[in-house]
Amino acid sequence: AQSVTQLGSHVSVSEGALVLLRCNYSSSVPPYLFWYVQYPNQGLQLLLKYTTGATLVKGINGFEAEFKKSETSFHLTKPSAHMSDAAEYFCAVSGGRGGYNKLIFGAGTRLAVHP
Amino acid sequence: GAVVSQHPSWVICKSGTSVKIECRSLDFQATTMFWYRQFPKQSLMLMATSNEGSKATYEQGVEKDKFLINHASLTLSTLTVTSAHPEDSSFYICSATQGARYEQYFGPGTRLTVT
Repeated sequence: AQSVTQLGSHVSVSEGALVLLRCNYSSSVPPYLFWYVQYPNQGLQLLLKYTTGATLVKGINGFEAEFKKSETSFHLTKPSAHMSDAAEYFCAVSGGRGGYNKLIFGAGTRLAVHP
Repeated sequence: GAVVSQHPSWVICKSGTSVKIECRSLDFQATTMFWYRQFPKQSLMLMATSNEGSKATYEQGVEKDKFLINHASLTLSTLTVTSAHPEDSSFYICSATQGARYEQYFGPGTRLTVT
């Protein structure tokens, strides 16, 4: 079965500082990996995704993530945090018995950005 | 493109009544739609997967008689919470995929409060 672990339910950074949100996955098949952002009382917006090919993927709003198979990780980074980045972030994986269109989400990480 | 809407965005109902939530793909044909439930400050839990014209597939532990899902057309799926109780209060989010594609497009969510 697939699973996703997001280390740190809350992360706080200063504006302009590096953002690092951690995600580790478990999958018996080559996974598809996703990062989503959710603002209060809203749905999910896709930040970036990895399917195949280049392991460093770039997304919207300056975010990027690197797929590391040996570490089963897909950490999300952004060089310089902005106040508008404050939100909930979810890592997700698909593949396996559920197929590539069935998502398994991590518990989420709430990012706070302070001045 | 790939916009998914939900209606209503917020609903309050009395215990024992039923409430219907609509999920529409506005600019594409959604062969598969997903319904998720999200409790406050928690992750998304998949409730069911529905394909147009066929019965929904419910995840383990989800009461199919309580959460009725209908996917009558390629642009509309509905979730009906029957005989709602306060513990059904939650944020319900739908998503849709187009054709054989794996990427899910999420709606903005519906907040249900049962009093």
